[in-house]
Amino acid sequence: ETGVTQSPTHLIKTRGQQVTLRCSSQSGHNTVSWYQQALGQGPQFIFQYYREEENGRGNFPPRFSGLQFPNYSSELNVNALELDDSALYLCASSPVAGTNVKLFFGSGTQLSVL
Amino acid sequence: GNSVTQMEGPVTLSEEAFLTINCTYTATGYPSLFWYVQYPGEGLQLLLKATKADDKGSNKGFEATYRKETTSFHLEKGSVQVSDSAVYFCALSDGTGSQGNLIFGKGTKLSVKP
Repeated sequence: ETGVTQSPTHLIKTRGQQVTLRCSSQSGHNTVSWYQQALGQGPQFIFQYYREEENGRGNFPPRFSGLQFPNYSSELNVNALELDDSALYLCASSPVAGTNVKLFFGSGTQLSVL
Repeated sequence: GNSVTQMEGPVTLSEEAFLTINCTYTATGYPSLFWYVQYPGEGLQLLLKATKADDKGSNKGFEATYRKETTSFHLEKGSVQVSDSAVYFCALSDGTGSQGNLIFGKGTKLSVKP
């Protein structure tokens, strides 16, 4: 059984560019959540996908968007990158959507915006 | 709004010392409370959780008790090991709005010296 995998591990982009981050959920998990972790801060909820539909969203602008595919893998897209988007982006999967389910986190993608 | 406040780190202890990491929260209703741990280079892992007042979560020698009267969920371990060196995050899930939306504290870095 493979865990949650994210790609790439590191990424450098320029302000104004667009970026796509990828996440493969753990086998058997149909729910994926994305978090942004700025340096020295705790993770902040971006959004969650359940069975290919957005199932909730945090306080992030529309230039943060996502997709979930039939195999339950997911993408996070960020348009018009800003310097403050530099952070560790974490993906977490769970077997169901719910408030008390255990989340399984990947190791993250470190995004640097120059 | 809902929030979590953790004691600031870093915390440096000698092996076999007693550990306390303070966590207090602000939330409406009856949140579930969690401690997550992030080892160097890895994703977050659920350490323990409690879903109602007076519940005690425990795992790997760590314990935390959900205290509604003091809105606290302090993490304790009687005898830390070098392998416990990591960043610890307190989090809450209030069950409203976005399901699976965890609100994290800023994290407390623990270093255990032999």
